[in-house]
Amino acid sequence: QVQLQESGPGLVKPSQTLSLTCTVSGGSISSGGYYWSWIRQHPGKGLEWIGYIYYSGSTYYNPSLKSRVTISVDTSKNQFSLKLSSVTAADTAVYYCARAPTVTNNWFDPWGQGTLVTVSS
Amino acid sequence: SSELTQDPAVSVALGQTVRITCQGDSLRSYYASWYQQKPGQAPVLVIYGKNNRPSGIPDRFSGSSSGNTASLTITGAQAEDEADYYCNSRDSSGNFWVFGGGTKLTVL
Repeated sequence: QVQLQESGPGLVKPSQTLSLTCTVSGGSISSGGYYWSWIRQHPGKGLEWIGYIYYSGSTYYNPSLKSRVTISVDTSKNQFSLKLSSVTAADTAVYYCARAPTVTNNWFDPWGQGTLVTVSS
Repeated sequence: SSELTQDPAVSVALGQTVRITCQGDSLRSYYASWYQQKPGQAPVLVIYGKNNRPSGIPDRFSGSSSGNTASLTITGAQAEDEADYYCNSRDSSGNFWVFGGGTKLTVL
């Protein structure tokens, strides 16, 4: 059974870069067939898809965040990572990683437990 | 703003049937997936595709779609079904994904 686990700093200063890693266990990213995604949830709010990466390294980002987002993959470590630059308080959120199959009608399953990132000086 | 629209809150009496809806133009082309989220927990997939339930999801959960509206139906709602529910699909261009704003379900 595939499991995902987010890790990274829980506190980031304004204007700095938020960096998170998602470690995948129980399955291999390099096997293909899935998009590896980041999704966030502002406190008390709904879900926002940030972007995804395929094992080959191809990426797609939410247009609203595209200028600040970079998602990368390290297949040797079975991890993928998120970098969000120039953060502000508006980027304070719980960040989730999740897997989606590469089919037309996608779904996200499983999800990591989520990690809260607070942007504050 | 979300391209998928959900009612903010819905309530249902214990044991009764409730339908949670999700509207959006992209739903004319793509199926929605549905997620249950309880306080302090990560979302959990409950319905995907035309009407598929992951292993472990009770059969009282079902999905349907008509035109620009997707629906999640809970037949015989239980107290443990009280949660936030989110729909998800591709956007109108098909190039990225969007979530609905979420529906808070209260079981009375």
